[in-house]
This record gives sequence, C-alpha cells and structure tokens, in this order.
Amino acid sequence: DAKTTQPTSMDCAEGRAANLPCNHSTISGNEYVYWYRQIHSQGPQYIIHGLKNNETNEMASLIITEDRKSSTLILPHATLRDTAVYYCIVRVGGGANDYKLSFGAGTTVTVRA
Amino acid sequence: DAGITQSPRHKVTETGTPVTLRCHQTENHRYMYWYRQDPGHGLRLIHYSYGVKDTDKGEVSDGYSVSRSKTEDFLLTLESATSSQTSVYFCAITSSQRQEQYFGPGTRLTVT
Repeated sequence: DAKTTQPTSMDCAEGRAANLPCNHSTISGNEYVYWYRQIHSQGPQYIIHGLKNNETNEMASLIITEDRKSSTLILPHATLRDTAVYYCIVRVGGGANDYKLSFGAGTTVTVRA
Repeated sequence: DAGITQSPRHKVTETGTPVTLRCHQTENHRYMYWYRQDPGHGLRLIHYSYGVKDTDKGEVSDGYSVSRSKTEDFLLTLESATSSQTSVYFCAITSSQRQEQYFGPGTRLTVT
C-alpha cells in the first residue's frame, strides 16, 4: 500500500471548517483513500473513503485531486468533540481478499472554543 | 459500534503468565483483526482472520497466537506475557459490503 504524509498537528476554531491535508504521491490506480479518526482512549472510527471522485457523508467531505496524489478531509463545522487524531490511509480496495489497514502517526487535531 | 465487544477491558498480569483476550462480534462479519497500540507507534496489526480457522500474521505477530473456531469470536493469546506486550489491544471487523473497518473499545493490558 502507498505511504501517506500528514501534518503532525493542527488547530482549528469551533464552528469553522477544518481542512486536513494528506499527501499520497505513490498511490496506485486501484488504491482507495480512507480516513479514520481516534478520539482519546477509544477505538478508531471510520469517517469516509474514496477512489477518485469527491465524496461526502454526514461526517465529512473528501476532496481528491485530479492526479490523486493528495487529498483533503473537510470537517464542515468543527466541534470540540472532533478533537482527535485523524489518519489518512491508502489501501487496495474493491475485491481484495483482506482489508488490512496500515496506520501512520496521523494528524492531531485540536478544536478550540 | 458494529456489535463488537472485547473482554476483559482491563487486565494486569505478571510476566510469564498466559493471557487470552476475546473479541466478540454479533453481525457475522468474515474478517476480524487484532491490533496493538503503543505511544509513538500508532496501531500495528498483530494477526487477522478471513474466516473460521483461517488466520494469518500481521506485522508484529511474534509472541502472539490467535484462534477462530466460530465466526463471532476471535481470540488473541499471549502464551507467556512479557513487559513489552503491555499495550492497548483493539479488535476490528470489516464490513465487506462497505469496505469499512470497525473497531472495538479496546483492552488495556499491563504486564508487570
């Protein structure tokens, strides 16, 4: 699976949009971009994933560049409960016989009141 | 929470004793995983299973064994616990229809 690079940490203001970048310049054509987050002491939580089209769900939006070498997770209206470590993961999807995830260090996001 | 429970949630044990952690799921998912999480290392895959009696090693499998005799249970065993196995252990399942992985609440294990 391709390697990802994320900033170590970032702050954002409550109520504002949080934009979390991720670089994955070696991504292959059949690799998906996944985002998970981990709130302190809890198990990681799935947020969203995509292949090449932008995706949106009730939690967030995922914007993938046209060359697929980077992506941005957008939390539209950050709340204090969004304070967590956010992981960007690239892995082969769609028919693979396992779904192992490789977690890096992630981005520690702190939402401030 | 995808119906995943882990037991025990906390355990303190002595070096050299055997320990078994249990992961239980209620939704009949095929794929199950054990990860450990340590400060500075993120989550690392220990073992995983792709069906009853079908298991394979992850990146940090030394000192651990697993068993899956029925779909709903995935057991992680430390045959002889060492202090380096002090960690938080997370179980996960994959929803193959949606390719999302769901994690249990974790087990905090301390080996003294």
